[in-house]
Amino acid sequence: EIVLTQSPGTLSLSPGERATLSCRASQSISSRYLVWYQQKPGLAPRLLIYRTSSRATGIPDRFSGSGSGTDFTLSINRLEPEDFAVYYCQQHDSSPLTFGGGTTVEIK
Amino acid sequence: EVQLVESGGGLVQPGGSLRVSCAASGFTFSTHWMHWVRQVPGKGLVWVSRINGEGNITSYADSVKGRFTISRDNAKNTLYLQMSSLRAEDTAIYYCVRFSGYIEWGQGTLVTVSS
Repeated sequence: EIVLTQSPGTLSLSPGERATLSCRASQSISSRYLVWYQQKPGLAPRLLIYRTSSRATGIPDRFSGSGSGTDFTLSINRLEPEDFAVYYCQQHDSSPLTFGGGTTVEIK
Repeated sequence: EVQLVESGGGLVQPGGSLRVSCAASGFTFSTHWMHWVRQVPGKGLVWVSRINGEGNITSYADSVKGRFTISRDNAKNTLYLQMSSLRAEDTAIYYCVRFSGYIEWGQGTLVTVSS
């Protein structure tokens, strides 16, 4: 089973700042199968990034993804008030599909 | 427009059974693997089970193996998760998800296991 470790657990930032979220895998993942979600309370996860770096439909360009192998990053430039949420990475390269534990981006 | 709509959640006693469903539309359901993912409210996401397009290949998380059964009815474009011997730790929101092609999630259905 591929374990995904997200860091930090919580990121305290102000609107307008840049957020950098990390997702580290216990073994190499094809970049085709690494995705990022945003989740707000009471809602289903919202797809942000697929194939490591492709933005999903309707996702603003302040969100970007990068990485390869075992190290992946989600960056959010110029945080907007609606960006404060929980973010999860996930791999669907091998079974069982696994998710990171999440990073909470909170208002400082 | 792709839609995945879960239903069937509710309150069930420990040891009981429940079947949740996911009605799919907007795509060729029978050609896609489908998955169930669950989330304890306020906690992380956990993959539960998957089934291939024909319905003859399945796999499960160890935590539900032998208690949950995934199935599908391609004529009705519906995915199912039959849950039995339910435990308090099965309390969660259950999401129906398509990971092949463009990733799509349903809105989830809450299953509460409590006496």
